[in-house]
Amino acid sequence: NAGVMQNPRHLVRRRGQEARLRCSPMKGHSHVYWYRQLPEEGLKFMVYLQKENIIDESGMPKERFSAEFPKEGPSILRIQQVVRGDSAAYFCASSPNNEKLFFGSGTQLSVL
Amino acid sequence: GQQLNQSPQSMFIQEGEDVSMNCTSSSIFNTWLWYKQDPGEGPVLLIALYKAGELTSNGRLTAQFGITRKDSFLNISASIPSDVGIYFCAGQLRTGGFKTIFGAGTRLFVKA
Repeated sequence: NAGVMQNPRHLVRRRGQEARLRCSPMKGHSHVYWYRQLPEEGLKFMVYLQKENIIDESGMPKERFSAEFPKEGPSILRIQQVVRGDSAAYFCASSPNNEKLFFGSGTQLSVL
Repeated sequence: GQQLNQSPQSMFIQEGEDVSMNCTSSSIFNTWLWYKQDPGEGPVLLIALYKAGELTSNGRLTAQFGITRKDSFLNISASIPSDVGIYFCAGQLRTGGFKTIFGAGTRLFVKA
């Protein structure tokens, strides 16, 4: 059973470009979560999705950030018009039952 | 919002020593989780605690869910170099929605 797969592992964007981060949950997991981690800091909750529905997006900036988890395919975290402050590691986690979270290896976003 | 205070922020220890770290909160949590993060990787679940007072072991790791449900500790016995990493506590609340809140992490350095 493959773990949570995130791609790309590293993403470099120039200011103003769009960043699309992908997350394939573990097989059988219908709950997906996105977290952001800045250097030397903990994990900050962004959004919680359950197949095609956003359950909690209280940690996600209101502008430029969006997330989806379609019926088919991976979950996508989309950041439009990136700024330098968006540079961080973005982690996706999945769960079969909204209890234990299993994390992917993350996408390191660097904005030039 | 809910916050977790994790301490110490970092620890420098000698191989073979025992380690203790803890998390406290002003909020009551239903579940406590402990994760370890290696450099460049996502957090990996170590121990999950579901009941107040519960004491659970996983090899050299032991964690307890505080009686008040507002705190938890993690002990590592006879540390080895591969214990190096960042240890995160996480609290889960089940009322009015769901969210997993992470502490800021304890950075463990082990000298051989």
